[in-house]
Amino acid sequence: GAVVSQHPSWVICKSGTSVKIECRSLDFQATTMFWYRQFPKQSLMLMATSNEGSKATYEQGVEKDKFLINHASLTLSTLTVTSAHPEDSSFYICSATDGGTEAFFGQGTRLTVV
Amino acid sequence: AQKITQTQPGMFVQEKEAVTLDCTYDTSDPSYGLFWYKQPSSGEMIFLIYQGSYDQQNATEGRYSLNFQKARKSANLVISASQLGDSAMYFCAMREGASVKAAGNKLTFGGGTRVLVKP
Repeated sequence: GAVVSQHPSWVICKSGTSVKIECRSLDFQATTMFWYRQFPKQSLMLMATSNEGSKATYEQGVEKDKFLINHASLTLSTLTVTSAHPEDSSFYICSATDGGTEAFFGQGTRLTVV
Repeated sequence: AQKITQTQPGMFVQEKEAVTLDCTYDTSDPSYGLFWYKQPSSGEMIFLIYQGSYDQQNATEGRYSLNFQKARKSANLVISASQLGDSAMYFCAMREGASVKAAGNKLTFGGGTRVLVKP
């Protein structure tokens, strides 16, 4: 199957700083990428849908100014958590489609804000 | 209202036995796709099986099969001959619009079922 690479796998940052997470499709072009957030022992909650070359579509309740999403190319989308606080600590995971039925997921990023 | 419901938060299964994970869904779109993913403790999401709403036969992939009952809006996952490595969280998900054009549509996930395989 297609490969989606997410980086970093884990990150610890200080409260008030910003963190950038990258999601790359390695062997296919992804016109659409999705960003999910997962709290411990809970399901994946969609944060936003990222389309190449256009603004991301955010789900209700997700702060656009806090979770900045950029999809500058067909193989790269980034999620920046701005002014991170401890409550932003979570597992963030991206997925991308190659136009087929399957959605391919990155490995996820575990963010801890101290 | 919940679009995807997984009523079993956790299950134990004996090694080599079969296990059925329940999933019911709710949609008014006649075209949709149903997915099952496995999430081990490391966190990655591993695709297991897909069923399209217009597929005539139940999907199968190795030890995984999907019991698709369209009228009841259920898409239960059956894992045969359980192995210790099957211990993980399992998520059912739906994407409305099953055509290729719908590939850009989001997946909605159920709450998940944790499976522990006992030796």
